[in-house]
Formats: sequence, structure tokens, C-alpha cells
Amino acid sequence: DGGITQSPKYLFRKEGQNVTLSCEQNLNHDAMYWYRQDPGQGLRLIYYSQIVNDFQKGDIAEGYSVSREKKESFPLTVTSAQKNPTAFYLCATRDSGGTLNQHFGDGTRLSIL
Amino acid sequence: RKEVEQDPGPFNVPEGATVAFNCTYSNSASQSFFWYRQDCRKEPKLLMSVYSSGNEDGRFTAQLNRASQYISLLIRDSKLSDSATYLCVVNEVNNYGQNFVFGPGTRLSVLP
Repeated sequence: DGGITQSPKYLFRKEGQNVTLSCEQNLNHDAMYWYRQDPGQGLRLIYYSQIVNDFQKGDIAEGYSVSREKKESFPLTVTSAQKNPTAFYLCATRDSGGTLNQHFGDGTRLSIL
Repeated sequence: RKEVEQDPGPFNVPEGATVAFNCTYSNSASQSFFWYRQDCRKEPKLLMSVYSSGNEDGRFTAQLNRASQYISLLIRDSKLSDSATYLCVVNEVNNYGQNFVFGPGTRLSVLP
């Protein structure tokens, strides 16, 4: 989706390090989401935010943290407490209108060295 | 029981075949339903929303049965380019706001 930018595309982390994944959107959507996808599996919700300065834990929030200081930005930090962080991370926004469609960024692949 | 379940797959079909995907969801309060397509190592993209009356978009037809909590996707005259993983997605409303629950996906391979 052209309106959502995730960076970096590929990220390598040493064990014990915190890393932050960036998600920026210019769609003017209020709601933003972070998902994790493991090989051959569906998406699992990490955190989501319906509005600036507010966010909620998803199903697998342990070892992750987020912030929502601006409408356009919803960064995800993968902390050293996340013992199995290797995965494909997807950021999404949701249409504010009646369709409720989600739009996804290109994703970030995180690997542990 | 998983909230959203799909056919385990993979489905390997010849070009021109008709393929049907099934999805069931456990939360009867779910409000909106979608099919997404995900190509290998790419982000999911919306294929179509699913309406109670059923809806069609070219070769794709989606059906919803709220009583049975069942959603389907039919692909007619399948093309090589239809090869992908198809994700069933259910939208729920909780005290905080809107949430989306993804099924595990069903992989389709259309063979020449």
C-alpha cells in the first residue's frame, strides 16, 4: 500500500538487543495495528491503537511495546524479553469510513543473528 | 477452538478449475467479513468484502451465512496468477474498538 511505509524491510538483531520497527502512514486513518506472521501461519495481533495517545494489547503483546504520539506514526519496539522475535511484522491501518477495510505496509522481516 | 478456521490446504488445481474455500468463525457478534489475498513473502491485500446477501466480483464470489457462522469464497476459471494464500478475516467490536481476527489461510497453487 502506497500510503503506509514500513522500515526497514529487513532487520537483523543480536540476542539481547531492543529494536524498533517504523510504521508511517499518510492515509489520515485513526486506527493502526501491528501483526506478527510466522511461516505458514496467519497474522496474530500484537498491539493496536484506535486514536493518538492510546493503544491496546493484542493477543501476543508480551515482549513488545508501542507508542502513538502522532496520528501518522505507530512504531513497534521488539524488546529483549521477546524470546522468539524472528518473524514477518506487518503494520496496518483501518479505513475510518463504512468499509472498515485494512491497508497493510510492505512488512519488515526480523531475524536474529 | 480457534476463532477463525479455514481449510488447511494446500489446494493444487489445474488452470480453469473452480475452487471453493471455506471459513468458520466462533464469535457470533462479529460484524464484518473479508477475504484477503497474500502472495509469498508479501503483505495481505484485500480481495473482497463479504456481504450478507453474497457478492460477486468477476470470477470471485463470496457468501456469508451468519446463522452457521460460515464464509465462503469461490474462484471460477482459475488462472495461474490466482496462486496465493487466501486469508479469511473477521472484524469484531470490543470495548476498546475495532479488531480484526485472521484465519491461518489456505494456500492455492494453480498448475498449468
